[in-house]
Amino acid sequence: EADIYQTPRYLVIGTGKKITLECSQTMGHDKMYWYQQDPGMELHLIHYSYGVNSTEKGDLSSESTVSRIRTEHFPLTLESARPSHTSQYLCASSEISGGTDTQYFGPGTRLTVL
Amino acid sequence: DQQVKQNSPSLSVQEGRISILNCDYTNSMFDYFLWYKKYPAEGPTFLISISSIKDKNEDGRFTVFLNKSAKHLSLHIVPSQPGDSAVYFCAASDWVNAGGTSYGKLTFGQGTILTVHP
Repeated sequence: EADIYQTPRYLVIGTGKKITLECSQTMGHDKMYWYQQDPGMELHLIHYSYGVNSTEKGDLSSESTVSRIRTEHFPLTLESARPSHTSQYLCASSEISGGTDTQYFGPGTRLTVL
Repeated sequence: DQQVKQNSPSLSVQEGRISILNCDYTNSMFDYFLWYKKYPAEGPTFLISISSIKDKNEDGRFTVFLNKSAKHLSLHIVPSQPGDSAVYFCAASDWVNAGGTSYGKLTFGQGTILTVHP
């Protein structure tokens, strides 16, 4: 099982602020993901990375950006936060093993934009 | 169009009894299925998975059944415990090729809230 860390766990911030959500994993997994989840809804993929210097957008359009400069680190940035960005953001990582690819999640960041 | 559906938003079970959580999917390309458990304000925790070449996988109190012809999977928890109370998500995976590599793209259901009463 992966050890994945996300900080901060909770963030309340005003409109227009720039924020960075941190995600780190210690398992050396090549693949990392960011999901967004609203209460009572399914998880939606917003970004993924299959290795250093590789990032792709997911299914759900997001104004956030990501970077992958180191294998273990996959931060997400919002240049100008808006109330519509209020949500839970979940980071995950995975590695193919035995022909399957299981994603393991961090504890999440609950973001509230006032 | 939702490819993975959990039609029961909630389930209430007595401690010691069996909990059965259901999930239906529409995409026949899915070949790997997972169940996650999630507490409020926490990330999903991986519980158990099953490959499409199997019809059953068991891990302690948790068993997942897969019926490919019906495109249906279920999670059985026996016996249920109050600590099992959480939201359970099923997820289905199909392979996506990107940048010369592949990853298992997950599609999630909406979740089922399980409450186990003492």
